[in-house]
Amino acid sequence: GESVGLHLPTLSVQEGDNSIINCAYSNSASDYFIWYKQESGKGPQFIIDIRSNMDKRQGQRVTVLLNKTVKHLSLQIAATQPGDSAVYFCAENRDAGGTSYGKLTFGQGTILTVHP
Amino acid sequence: DSGVTQTPKHLITATGQRVTLRCSPRSGDLSVYWYQQSLDQGLQFLIQYYNGEERAKGNILERFSAQQFPDLHSELNLSSLELGDSALYFCASSEGVFGNTIYFGEGSWLTVV
Repeated sequence: GESVGLHLPTLSVQEGDNSIINCAYSNSASDYFIWYKQESGKGPQFIIDIRSNMDKRQGQRVTVLLNKTVKHLSLQIAATQPGDSAVYFCAENRDAGGTSYGKLTFGQGTILTVHP
Repeated sequence: DSGVTQTPKHLITATGQRVTLRCSPRSGDLSVYWYQQSLDQGLQFLIQYYNGEERAKGNILERFSAQQFPDLHSELNLSSLELGDSALYFCASSEGVFGNTIYFGEGSWLTVV
């Protein structure tokens, strides 16, 4: 969907806490989802992805949960560190059976601030 | 470092001018994507090329065009520039044609004055 940069949701946590960032997607045909982290002045950095035939996937300190029933995606960051402070975007992509050929639709982003 | 290289990093130009942004994809990646990031529109897909051919088009203005060369690098041409074209332009690449694990470059910051 469209992003409105001036009204990004924010999440503030203390160092060591677990963080949960949520994302709602609108296209029920999307079957591949990706979380990106973007630090100030840098490009989006791939964190983790998940296909629609899964409901959970774990990486290093990160877990992505997918609820297709309500079209909701979440990113959990364990033991959040100050270096995790950034804007986090969810993105959706269609599979080979779709027509978007890898076109990503990004969410509006969430600003995560981790306090030492 | 994602392995995607973009030049220039910053560019200031006047309205009505034309600029070219350049992108070298990650080694082995055949797909190149261009995205625009602005405060009011967020990250928007512009266009995708795969192995030299256009494969998908998004919200790309007619004043903008792109191409992918035989060595797989890509250029995004922006012409008749307007103030509203000021934005971060990202190039991204992936191995295949259908996306999956798309890696982004650091972006080219365009300011139109």
